[in-house]
Amino acid sequence: KAGVTQTPRYLIKTRGQQVTLSCSPISGHRSVSWYQQTPGQGLQFLFEYFSETQRNKGNFPGRFSGRQFSNSRSEMNVSTLELGDSALYLCASSPQGITDTQYFGPGTRLTVL
Amino acid sequence: SQQGEEDPQALSIQEGENATMNCSYKTSINNLQWYRQNSGRGLVHLILIRSNEREKHSGRLRVTLDTSKKSSSLLITASRAADTASYFCATDAISGQNFVFGPGTRLSVLP
Repeated sequence: KAGVTQTPRYLIKTRGQQVTLSCSPISGHRSVSWYQQTPGQGLQFLFEYFSETQRNKGNFPGRFSGRQFSNSRSEMNVSTLELGDSALYLCASSPQGITDTQYFGPGTRLTVL
Repeated sequence: SQQGEEDPQALSIQEGENATMNCSYKTSINNLQWYRQNSGRGLVHLILIRSNEREKHSGRLRVTLDTSKKSSSLLITASRAADTASYFCATDAISGQNFVFGPGTRLSVLP
């Protein structure tokens, strides 16, 4: 099976802009989770979608949002970008969810200038 | 705040030696997972241990879980240069709907 794919791999934006990241899960996986990784805060859970519904959510402001489509593909949107949003954004897919083995994509490196 | 904390933060050993990393957490969990991350392969799942399990093996990996002490350890036996990576524990709490990674242990295996 093909692994988790994320697009784009690299992105440069300026403060105040918005960005949309995309994640395609492994075929058959219904859960997609998103994580932010920074040198200062490490890996932090953003949210999880399962069958098009947000099932779990981390402690991030409302500027961070997501959605999942009927084919399980997911998008994450960040509005009004801040410098501190510069990070590696990882998505992971799983058959059952975050309590089970998750398979991670290579990530999208977002730089906010 | 992060629930999982790894110890040590960094570890440097020679090939062939064993490496032990520890993880502590704060609240009751459903399960605990270990992941490895290196620049070449991204974040890779290593092993999952459920709260009612005490020990689990996978190849050269051995994971223990002590729920009374809220701690886990990852042992890598006969280490190889290819084991050089950062290792993270991750937990999902019974009470919450969150998934928390520890800060990680950077392992360097020298040839």
